[in-house]
Amino acid sequence: DGGITQSPKYLFRKEGQNVTLSCEQNLNHDAMYWYRQDPGQGLRLIYYSQIVNDFQKGDIAEGYSVSREKKESFPLTVTSAQKNPTAFYLCASSPLAASTDTQYFGPGTRLTVL
Amino acid sequence: GQQLNQSPQSMFIQEGEDVSMNCTSSSIFNTWLWYKQDPGEGPVLLIALYKAGELTSNGRLTAQFGITRKDSFLNISASIPSDVGIYFCGVDSSYKLIFGSGTRLLVRP
Repeated sequence: DGGITQSPKYLFRKEGQNVTLSCEQNLNHDAMYWYRQDPGQGLRLIYYSQIVNDFQKGDIAEGYSVSREKKESFPLTVTSAQKNPTAFYLCASSPLAASTDTQYFGPGTRLTVL
Repeated sequence: GQQLNQSPQSMFIQEGEDVSMNCTSSSIFNTWLWYKQDPGEGPVLLIALYKAGELTSNGRLTAQFGITRKDSFLNISASIPSDVGIYFCGVDSSYKLIFGSGTRLLVRP
């Protein structure tokens, strides 16, 4: 069953702790993306990766870090430096970085900081 | 940064009614996209537009790419309860997507 998986679906963390969100795809896509969604707002790009071992900052990268050691995996770490981390986080992938219209989204992880 | 202005913010309509929403920008874009997001899920692409003036349909959905390349609209005809969700416009900007703030659609049976 091909697609993008994100885990966990719900995540709680104490203030000051780092937390890593998982994103895995078995679609053999080159490009992967992380977005943040806040209530009443659209999606904002955090980081993206067009190829293994390479990634670029998006519009709101401060307080986040990523890695792309494998084609199928693009984990996102929300660090304690992120001032307002409570949000819905969406991972996406596309066959090629240029084909943004064919971005496929995962089901999302809702992070709540207590 | 670049922004998309999407309206209306929300709509509460009767089943069977037609719906229209639009998205505008101060910048020119060469690709306009429309996504739907169900509660608690990721967005799903509905329609992609690549040419100014283009009118594209997908079932009961119709979208148009404005001739100025600065706007787009999405129409839903004969709405049904499963149309409920948030609809986002998006544009392709340097291999990244920029999204509007969304239109929340509620359908009354």
